[in-house]
Amino acid sequence: AQTVTQSQPEMSVQEAETVTLSCTYDTSENNYYLFWYKQPPSRQMILVIRQEAYKQQNATENRFSVNFQKAAKSFSLKISDSQLGDTAMYFCASAPSGTYKYIFGTGTRLKVLA
Amino acid sequence: DVKVTQSSRYLVKRTGEKVFLECVQDMDHENMFWYRQDPGLGLRLIYFSYDVKMKEKGDIPEGYSVSREKKERFSLILESASTNQTSMYLCASSPTGTTGANVLTFGAGSRLTVL
Repeated sequence: AQTVTQSQPEMSVQEAETVTLSCTYDTSENNYYLFWYKQPPSRQMILVIRQEAYKQQNATENRFSVNFQKAAKSFSLKISDSQLGDTAMYFCASAPSGTYKYIFGTGTRLKVLA
Repeated sequence: DVKVTQSSRYLVKRTGEKVFLECVQDMDHENMFWYRQDPGLGLRLIYFSYDVKMKEKGDIPEGYSVSREKKERFSLILESASTNQTSMYLCASSPTGTTGANVLTFGAGSRLTVL
């Protein structure tokens, strides 16, 4: 069975600093995707970044990057130059390629402090 | 620019009432989902639909049913609401295929309170 674990329920970071959110997963699939979604307070959840498991290069989207360690089944999210607008709940998720079977972690609530 | 619209942002219902949560997407996506979000539990899949009139049970379908009569609309129905169904409900959609596949687009959520 697939599982996704986020071990940090809450984190905080000073504005302009860097923070890393942890995520570990377990899957028996060979081809799968990993995701980070962001849910700002009272707003809809949006995709932050997506990683295809067969690609060794870590995905990057502006200030957001991942550290994908396939053998260790780890998929952490690094946010550089944190901004107040990064305050949100962040969910890590996995899904086998071509399926709807997304598995979400329990989320990490990140607060960026001014 | 809104792509997945959930009809009600906040609802308060009484135990035993029938509740309809509506979701509409304008991206011509084949797949639509209903999730339930609870603190400490993440998102749990209630039902999934991959085509009109087609549905599959997710992880927690008990007490819920769904309807998809048109491609763009996916409704979640609570036949007889109970207090343990108080929660945030998220609708999402995704395309089928290798390009852009597996990326979910979410609605803003419907927070349901059952008294």
